[in-house]
Amino acid sequence: QSALTQPASVSRSLGQTITISCTGSSSDVGRYNFVSWYQQHPGKAPKVVIYEVTLRPSGVSSRFAGFKSVNTAYLTISGLQAEDEADYYCRSYTTNNTHVFGTGTKVTVV
Amino acid sequence: QVHLVESGGGVVQPGRSLRLSCAASGFPFNRYAMHWVRQAPGKGLEWVTSISFDGSVQSYADSVKGRFTVSRDDSGNTLSLQMNSLRPEDTAVYYCARLGGYCSSTSCYKDEYWGQGTLVTVSS
Repeated sequence: QSALTQPASVSRSLGQTITISCTGSSSDVGRYNFVSWYQQHPGKAPKVVIYEVTLRPSGVSSRFAGFKSVNTAYLTISGLQAEDEADYYCRSYTTNNTHVFGTGTKVTVV
Repeated sequence: QVHLVESGGGVVQPGRSLRLSCAASGFPFNRYAMHWVRQAPGKGLEWVTSISFDGSVQSYADSVKGRFTVSRDDSGNTLSLQMNSLRPEDTAVYYCARLGGYCSSTSCYKDEYWGQGTLVTVSS
């Protein structure tokens, strides 16, 4: 049950596009289309921004998009805004009816 | 409106036990699998355990297997986590969650809700 691998931090300027990777294995990300992405601001509970690899919950900005290639899932945030500065985590369903989160990525808007 | 409210957190000595509860409302509790997720101070999210909608299947992270037990009381719409043999590395905010975006062997879950969490501190 190793955590999925994400870059520790990414920084971009306002208005730019950012892509965060989430690398797993053939037992999780590669096996199931059940990858979710979360945004977490300090002191707050996580909020889903993408589920089932590509789907966006109602109320989430269309600037958030997700996709997957083999064992790696990706979250793209376009037109970066100040309020996008947060920690981002991926989560995948895995074999044996378990779940695993990513290591987390701190997004900084400069 | 879905609400998940955790309780039972606090300071406990290493090796001791603690029981967390999660009061659920606003949805048919007995139709959903439920989860506990934790986050150590300044660290990332860690899935801890889940229990199926009917309570027949429990799954655990390796880090807590054999020490933690998840249970549910559908008559009281309550999810519980019994934590035994606590270690300093169990110190974290524990979230009760109705995770979505996946299908288990028996059911598919779309929408997702989290509580605000309860802090457990394991320290002498």
